[in-house]
Amino acid sequence: NAGVIQTPRHKVTGKGQEATLWCEPISGHSAVFWYRQTIVQGLEFLTYFRNQAPIDDSGMPKERFSAQMPNQSHSTLKIQSTQPQDSAVYLCASSLGDWVYAEQFFGPGTRLTVL
Amino acid sequence: GQQVQQSPSSLVLQEGENAELQCNFSSTATQLQWFYQSPGGSLVSLLSNPSGTKHTGRLTSTTVTKERRSSLHISSSQTTDSGTYLCAIDPDTNAYKVIFGKGTHLHVLP
Repeated sequence: NAGVIQTPRHKVTGKGQEATLWCEPISGHSAVFWYRQTIVQGLEFLTYFRNQAPIDDSGMPKERFSAQMPNQSHSTLKIQSTQPQDSAVYLCASSLGDWVYAEQFFGPGTRLTVL
Repeated sequence: GQQVQQSPSSLVLQEGENAELQCNFSSTATQLQWFYQSPGGSLVSLLSNPSGTKHTGRLTSTTVTKERRSSLHISSSQTTDSGTYLCAIDPDTNAYKVIFGKGTHLHVLP
């Protein structure tokens, strides 16, 4: 079991460019979570999928951010027109069920730097 | 809104000493978990403890739900314990917006 896989590990974009981050959850896990981590804000919840369906995206910035889970083996987080304040480590986690009941397993994160 | 406060923000210990980390939250929580984040960044779940006392290895967590606080005790600290310890809650069974504290940065000296 390779754990949660996130690619790329590092991404540098210019202001205004698009960034797509990939997450491959642990096989058999039905829940996928996305988080963002910065020094100032700490770890923030972004969005959550259960069985590929979006359940809660209340943490997602309303503009420019979108997440999808087209199949059970991967999820993407897309940031359009990236801004310097989007620079952060984006973490993906998967679990066997809802967070309340099941342990989350985290990927290594993607460090996004927007110049 | 719901807040999670962790203290101390940083802690330096000599190897072998015990550590006591605190987590306070502003409203009731249905789930509480402690996480460890290594200096390299990977995040792992340590234990889930929405109420009562739980032990795993050298870790003991005690959560007093009605007082909205939890503690994580690390006994006989080791240099490999160095890193950041995060407390996270799920304040509402109908929501999935997990809220994390800012963490306690622990540094254990040899």
